Amino acid sequence: QSVLTQPPSASGTPGQRVTISCSGSSSNIGSNTVNWYQQLPGTAPKLLIYNYNQRPSGVPARFSGSKSGTSASLAISGLQSEDEADYYCAAWDDSLSGHVVFGGGTKLTVL
Amino acid sequence: LQLQESGPGLVKPSETLSLTCTVSGGSISTSSFFWGWIRQPPGRGLEWIGSFYYNGATYYNPSLKSRVTIFGDTSKNQFSLKLHSVTAADTAMYYCAKTYSGSYGGYDNWGQGMQVTVSS
Repeated sequence: QSVLTQPPSASGTPGQRVTISCSGSSSNIGSNTVNWYQQLPGTAPKLLIYNYNQRPSGVPARFSGSKSGTSASLAISGLQSEDEADYYCAAWDDSLSGHVVFGGGTKLTVL
Repeated sequence: LQLQESGPGLVKPSETLSLTCTVSGGSISTSSFFWGWIRQPPGRGLEWIGSFYYNGATYYNPSLKSRVTIFGDTSKNQFSLKLHSVTAADTAMYYCAKTYSGSYGGYDNWGQGMQVTVSS
């Protein structure tokens, strides 16, 4: 059972806009930044969004993040076939001397 | 900056899993960055194990804290993970990673990962 809650799956057709939610609590998302990772099959995770809505160099503007209270969302617009991957949210949690918590991951399928 | 995990790929139950992450193109002695370990059991999600800061400070996953030690060797520009009393549940891909500046847990550089199997 992950501390951050994500839907296990999501899907969309090419060109569509898809959102993935991430629900937490006041000790993690509610008080710290949220990061999103993309993991393509057989590869290491890649930082996709940091500080809620910042994109590292090279990440397309189609990817965006937002936060409201103790929840965060990742949005992918203009969905492309190469976006098919697992997506994870993560945040620092202030409880128990501090630690990182991950969501369980969302498998995105491009139909 | 590149990170590379190394260590035994097979560990016996009840023994200690030891992995090392060698950092090139950057120094683990630099302030503002945390150096961490994350694992992923087969077919499952990511689990944060813990992290190390240049001044020796460490943070651990509460569920693993009693079995984990993470430490750095600045002379070799490496940091290491020791996980004691392993069981089959510790079988996973183990990644080392670095955070972006000022972040406690946003990892922007990852190693390629090392598969570790716990089996007799």
